[in-house]
Amino acid sequence: NAGVTQTPKFQVLKTGQSMTLQCAQDMNHEYMSWYRQDPGMGLRLIHYSVGAGITDQGEVPNGYNVSRSTTEDFPLRLLSAAPSQTSVYFCASREGPGSDEQYFGPGTRLTVT
Amino acid sequence: RKEVEQDPGPFNVPEGATVAFNCTYSNSASQSFFWYRQDCRKEPKLLMSVYSSGNEDGRFTAQLNRASQYISLLIRDSKLSDSATYLCVVNFNNDMRFGAGTRLTVKP
Repeated sequence: NAGVTQTPKFQVLKTGQSMTLQCAQDMNHEYMSWYRQDPGMGLRLIHYSVGAGITDQGEVPNGYNVSRSTTEDFPLRLLSAAPSQTSVYFCASREGPGSDEQYFGPGTRLTVT
Repeated sequence: RKEVEQDPGPFNVPEGATVAFNCTYSNSASQSFFWYRQDCRKEPKLLMSVYSSGNEDGRFTAQLNRASQYISLLIRDSKLSDSATYLCVVNFNNDMRFGAGTRLTVKP
C-alpha cells in the first residue's frame, strides 16, 4: 500500500493563479481531510469528506474548493491564489466512524508570490 | 482564545529524563483526544489516543481530565529519537482541532 499520496511536493504560484493539489489513498478509507499548517498555528482543517459525494467545510474553507467523486481521490482546488495561502498542505484519511488514526500524506509546500 | 492550547516549548532535556506536556481545550463537548508526533518537515503520525481512564504505551502515558478540559502526555526515560514536535488533537463531530505543538529536543 502506498498509503496517502500527494502531488506536487512543492509549488510556486503567482497571485491570482489557480491550481489543484492532488490527494489519493489506497486504503479504502471513508474519511478524507485537507489541512494547512502555518508556523505557530498548528494544523487547521480546510475541508473534509465522510464519503464519496459528501464534503463539508472545516475551520478555514475560504478560497478553497473540494470534491469527492471517488473513494480514493480528494483534490483541493485553489481558485485564485493569494499570498495568505502560502503554507504546507496535508491531506489525511481515516477508516471511518469510530476509527481513531488519521494517516497523513507527505505534504505539499505551496508558495504564492 | 485558541480551541486547543499547548505550551510551545521548546523543551530541552537530557537523555533519560522524564518530561510532561500539557494541553487544554475549550469545547467541552469534544469527543475524542489524541497525541500526534511530527518530525521536522514531515507529516504528523499518531502517537496514541487518550482515554479518560488514562493509558500507557511503553514509556508514554496519556491522561485526560474532562472536568478540567485538560490532556497530558508523560514521556519517561527520554531517548534521542523522541526529539520531535508533539501535537495535541481534539475531535468534535469529525472536526479535528490541532494544537500548535510542543517541541522536544532530547540531548545526549
